Formats: sequence, structure tokens, C-alpha cells
Amino acid sequence: GAVVSQHPSWVICKSGTSVKIECRSLDFQATTMFWYRQFPKQSLMLMATSNEGSKATYEQGVEKDKFLINHASLTLSTLTVTSAHPEDSSFYICSSMGGTPGELFFGEGSRLTVL
Amino acid sequence: QKEVEQNSGPLSVPEGAIASLNCTYSDRGSQSFFWYRQYSGKSPELIMFIYSNGDKEDGRFTAQLNKASQYVSLLIRDSQPSDSATYLCAVSFSGNTPLVFGKGTRLSVIA
Repeated sequence: GAVVSQHPSWVICKSGTSVKIECRSLDFQATTMFWYRQFPKQSLMLMATSNEGSKATYEQGVEKDKFLINHASLTLSTLTVTSAHPEDSSFYICSSMGGTPGELFFGEGSRLTVL
Repeated sequence: QKEVEQNSGPLSVPEGAIASLNCTYSDRGSQSFFWYRQYSGKSPELIMFIYSNGDKEDGRFTAQLNKASQYVSLLIRDSQPSDSATYLCAVSFSGNTPLVFGKGTRLSVIA
């Protein structure tokens, strides 16, 4: 299956700082990337869909000015959590579509802890 | 609003037994159904997908789909301790729409 590489795998930051998470497709061109967030013992919640070369589409309730998504190339999508606060602490996972309709390949995930 | 419901568990089964995981979904137009396994602190990994009513078998895993009842299940035969994880049910309305995930069922296989 396709390989999606995500880093950092974990990050701890102070409240008010910004954190960038990168997601790379290593052996294929990902025109679409999905960004999910998962709180402990909760489901994966879709935050936004990013398409290469265009603005991301955010889900209802997700602040686009706080969660900046850039998909400037076919192999790289980034999520920047701006002015992070403790309530932003979560597991962030990127994913790209596989060959089977609806199938997703996930990155390793990034655990963000905001102090 | 599209919803996917799963019993959160934990579901405990002895080693060698059959584990049965269930999932219901709200959108009758849903077309693709997936089961992902997620170990603690890790990303989900795909186990199986199913599109058509009936059963689909892959090794120790069998997915069952009943679109009339809006119900999909996953059976794990000869359960092993390494199967202990959270199993996420995911549903897609069409091939290009994002998956909607259930909260997952935590499975514990006891040696």
C-alpha cells in the first residue's frame, strides 16, 4: 500500500506557540489529503480536506484561521496549529486516498501536547 | 448528519474464541464500509472493506454487511492476544467523500 509519512510523531509546546505538522506521500502523488483529529477514547473527526494547489475545505466547527493547511505540492501537506492552547492537545492524523474507493492510507500521527 | 455507531466495549474474549464487532450507520445511501484496527497511540490500519451485502472473508477476518438493516460487522476467528486493539468502523457515502468513523470498539483477547 501507499506510504504516508507524518512528523513530528509527538510535540510538546507552550500555550500560545504555533506548531507545524508535515505529511508526505512517499511513493505516490496525493492530490487530496485529509486531516483528522482524535481525542482520547473518541472517534477520528475530520478537520479538513486539502487539495493540491487550492484552499482547504474545513468541516463545520473547525477554525480555518487557527488550523492552517497548506498543500503546495503533490507530495506535501502541512497543518499548522496557530496559537495553540491546552484544548488543542490531541492526536492529529493525515491520510490520503488509496486505490480502493473510500480507502485511506494514514500517516503515523502526531501527538500534540500544549502546556 | 451521517453517523456511525459502535459499542465502545471493552469486549473481552478468551484466546481462540470468535470476537464479534458490530456497527450501525445512519445514511442509507452509504456505499463503502471499512474496518480499521488501531493500536494505542498508533494510526489506524485497514483490515477489510466491503461493498456488497453478504459476507467477505479474509483469513481469520469476516466482514458482514446488511444494507437493509444498515448494519456491518466484523468477526475475528481464533482470536489472538495480538488482536487486542480498538476496531474502528468507517463508512463512505461515495468513493470521493471522506470516511465517517465510529468511536471504535476496544477488544481485549485474554490469553
